[in-house]
Amino acid sequence: GIQVEQSPPDLILQEGANSTLRCNFSDSVNNLQWFHQNPWGQLINLFYIPSGTKQNGRLSATTVATERYSLLYISSSQTTDSGVYFCAVVKNNNNDMRFGAGTRLTVKP
Amino acid sequence: DGGITQSPKYLFRKEGQNVTLSCEQNLNHDAMYWYRQDPGQGLRLIYYSQIVNDFQKGDIAEGYSVSREKKESFPLTVTSAQKNPTAFYLCASSLGGDTQYFGPGTRLTVL
Repeated sequence: GIQVEQSPPDLILQEGANSTLRCNFSDSVNNLQWFHQNPWGQLINLFYIPSGTKQNGRLSATTVATERYSLLYISSSQTTDSGVYFCAVVKNNNNDMRFGAGTRLTVKP
Repeated sequence: DGGITQSPKYLFRKEGQNVTLSCEQNLNHDAMYWYRQDPGQGLRLIYYSQIVNDFQKGDIAEGYSVSREKKESFPLTVTSAQKNPTAFYLCASSLGGDTQYFGPGTRLTVL
């Protein structure tokens, strides 16, 4: 099946810093999503981005489908950005979503 | 409010017991999913259903069963055959193959 690799596994930032999270996938995909999992376990949708670039406030994402990677940018990080960020992909429109292992982000005040 | 609800939030089970986790959505989504998350890991797909009365196994279906009798509901039963059921269980729904939206999860602990 399709492999999803996220890097780095852990990231510690000072409040106000910028960061880039990466997601590599092993095959072509029809769907790619970025999620933020808060400390209570809730998964929050950040972006649905099988290709192209999107921005939402301090967050933006870019997926280069032909090169099989996606990047999530967090600018001016805040302590509330802490948590685990997951990339997940779907191949062939079969609704079988595969998750990466996540990047654990800690933003210190 | 529209959304996905899961109950209970916490569930404790004795070894050898079956338990059923509830998932309900009022988003009018066709597809629903169950995932399992172990500590420090990503989510793994247990089962998914694209329409009523139909469902498919995911990667880790052994020891689990589901039903989809109504569009709004997709309950998951963790059977006694599941060797290591302690985990965080997340339900999701989507309109076709579009964005998946997740419920708040159920933490299951086997005593």
